[in-house]
Amino acid sequence: NAGVTQTPKFQVLKTGQSMTLQCAQDMNHEYMSWYRQDPGMGLRLIHYSVGAGITDQGEVPNGYNVSRSTTEDFPLRLLSAAPSQTSVYFCASSTGNRGNNQPQHFGDGTRLSIL
Amino acid sequence: RKEVEQDPGPFNVPEGATVAFNCTYSNSASQSFFWYRQDCRKEPKLLMSVYSSGNEDGRFTAQLNRASQYISLLIRDSKLSDSATYLCVVNRRGSARQLTFGSGTQLTVLP
Repeated sequence: NAGVTQTPKFQVLKTGQSMTLQCAQDMNHEYMSWYRQDPGMGLRLIHYSVGAGITDQGEVPNGYNVSRSTTEDFPLRLLSAAPSQTSVYFCASSTGNRGNNQPQHFGDGTRLSIL
Repeated sequence: RKEVEQDPGPFNVPEGATVAFNCTYSNSASQSFFWYRQDCRKEPKLLMSVYSSGNEDGRFTAQLNRASQYISLLIRDSKLSDSATYLCVVNRRGSARQLTFGSGTQLTVLP
C-alpha cells in the first residue's frame, strides 16, 4: 500500500523562487491537509481540504496556495519562497467520517531549505 | 499560551521503567484526543485515541480529564523501541478534523 506519497523528499530553494510540493493518496480519503513542523513548535496546519474542489485555510496559510482538483492529489505551492518557510512539510489524509476518531495518515515529509 | 502544552522533556528512563507524560489543552470545545508517536526525522503515526473513560492498549494507558482539560499517557515496562517523541493532539468540535498538535515530549529508553 502506497498510502500518502510526498515528493520531493528534499529541496533547496533560493529566496523568491516558487515551487510545488506534491502529495498524493490512494486510500480514497476525503480529508487532506498540509502541516509544517518547526523545532519546538509542533505541527501547524497550513491548509486543508474536505473534498475535491474544497479548500480552506489553517493556522499558518500566508505564502502558500493549495488546490484540490481530484480526491487523490493535494499540491502545496510556495509562491515566493522566504527563509522563514524553511521547515519540514507533512501532508496527511483521513476518512471524512466525523463521528469517529479517524487517524491521520502522514506522508514521509518534505525537508525544505530556503537560502 | 499554546493551545496544547506538553513537557518537552527529554525523559531518559531505563528499560523496564514506567513513565508518564502529561498534556493540557486550553480550548474547552476540544472534542477528540489522541497520542501520536514520531520517530526521529519520520512522520507522526497514531499511537492511540484517548477516550473519556480511559483506555489501554498493551503497555500503554491513556487518560482524559475533561474538567481539568488534561490528558496523560502511561507507558509500562519501557522498551528500547519506545524511544521517540510523543505528540499530544486535540481536535476541536466542528472543526472538520483540524488537529492541534503539542510540540511533543521526547523519550529515550536506556539499556
